[in-house]
Amino acid sequence: QVQLQQWGAGVLKPSETLSLTCAVYGGSFNSFYWTWIRQPPGKGLEWIGEITHSGSSSLNPSLQSRVTMAADTTKNQFSLRLKSVTAADTAIYYCARGNGLYIRSGGFDIWGQGTMITVSS
Amino acid sequence: DIQMTQSPSSLSASVGDRVTITCRASQDIGSWLAWYQQKPGKAPKLLIYAASSLQSGVPSRFSGSGSGTEFTLTISSLQPEDFAIYYCQQAKSVLPYTFGQGTKLEIK
Repeated sequence: QVQLQQWGAGVLKPSETLSLTCAVYGGSFNSFYWTWIRQPPGKGLEWIGEITHSGSSSLNPSLQSRVTMAADTTKNQFSLRLKSVTAADTAIYYCARGNGLYIRSGGFDIWGQGTMITVSS
Repeated sequence: DIQMTQSPSSLSASVGDRVTITCRASQDIGSWLAWYQQKPGKAPKLLIYAASSLQSGVPSRFSGSGSGTEFTLTISSLQPEDFAIYYCQQAKSVLPYTFGQGTKLEIK
């Protein structure tokens, strides 16, 4: 049974860099797109981007100038860095499993528990 | 970006009711649509992918239909645990994937 466990600092000051990591347990790391999604308090979902085990990534154009993603196949982990955060980046951040590299289903079927990130001076 | 618009934004219904939620895409997305259920304090849960395929473990009272720009999620007989927020998501264009604004399903 595949599980995602995520962690990272929860409170940031404006202009700091958000850093989150998500570990994949119990399944293949090399066969899927790994995704970050965020949800501001009381609001809807925003796709941030996705990455493969080889480091190939696609990023939301609205965030791509501030976002870096990385994948570590030795630890079955992937990470998100978002620089120059502002209050508008306050949200719950989720990691999730996306499409298979070779079989595209279109949905995000496994999610991490979410990390609340608060940006405040 | 492909815009996804759900209707209604909120809905009151009773246990046992049949409920339908609609999602419209701003352009043709074929069958590349997913539906999620989110309960308070929890991550979204995938219900339907590829417009009409039921995710493993999801009760058969949930069904999805549609293609192109108009899609529906139907719950055939509401159960107490179905009261939640439902989101659609287009999976055709990765730049970026986008979600509907959500439909809050409340108990009447």
